[in-house]
Amino acid sequence: NAGVTQTPKFQVLKTGQSMTLQCAQDMNHEYMSWYRQDPGMGLRLIHYSVGAGITDQGEVPNGYNVSRSTTEDFPLRLLSAAPSQTSVYFCASLPQWGAYEQYFGPGTRLTVT
Amino acid sequence: QQQVKQSPQSLIVQKGGISIINCAYENTAFDYFPWYQQFPGKGPALLIAIRPDVSEKKEGRFTISFNKSAKQFSLHIMDSQPGDSATYFCAASIGNYGGSQGNLIFGKGTKLSVKP
Repeated sequence: NAGVTQTPKFQVLKTGQSMTLQCAQDMNHEYMSWYRQDPGMGLRLIHYSVGAGITDQGEVPNGYNVSRSTTEDFPLRLLSAAPSQTSVYFCASLPQWGAYEQYFGPGTRLTVT
Repeated sequence: QQQVKQSPQSLIVQKGGISIINCAYENTAFDYFPWYQQFPGKGPALLIAIRPDVSEKKEGRFTISFNKSAKQFSLHIMDSQPGDSATYFCAASIGNYGGSQGNLIFGKGTKLSVKP
């Protein structure tokens, strides 16, 4: 199993550009989520999904869209990038209801200029 | 409103010493308290976790102490090693609520440096 994979590892965007951060897992996990990590802020939940076709907002959803058309993939879309979205983004997955060990991907470092 | 408060921000410990990181929470509905370890350039990895029905959990050199009445929990690293140098995050979640047990509220992190 590759676990949780994220692409790209690094990305630089100009203000106003859009892009999609990719996340995939090959463990057949029902739950997937996106967090952003900023210096001195810990990790904050952006969006999450409890299964294909079901998504919901986390703590900091503004400026981001998600969809979950398959169990394996959970892309995060930045519609119009802003400097405030400069961060490291982590995707995570959880096997099923009642399971608690969450698996994190390696992260995508995004810089918006 | 920060729901999980973590201290200290940074910690320097000599090799062989005990590292102690503390967290306090506000929401009494939290029922899962994990600690994550993160090395530079990597994603967080689950280190150890506890449910509020026990006061202590030990795995090797790592121990969580949990005080439900004080709404506090702490990570103790015994015989700290240079390889333990990393950032540690405490977190909390509400389990089995519409699948949201994965929705973790993180502390701000503690950067641990273990000196040889």
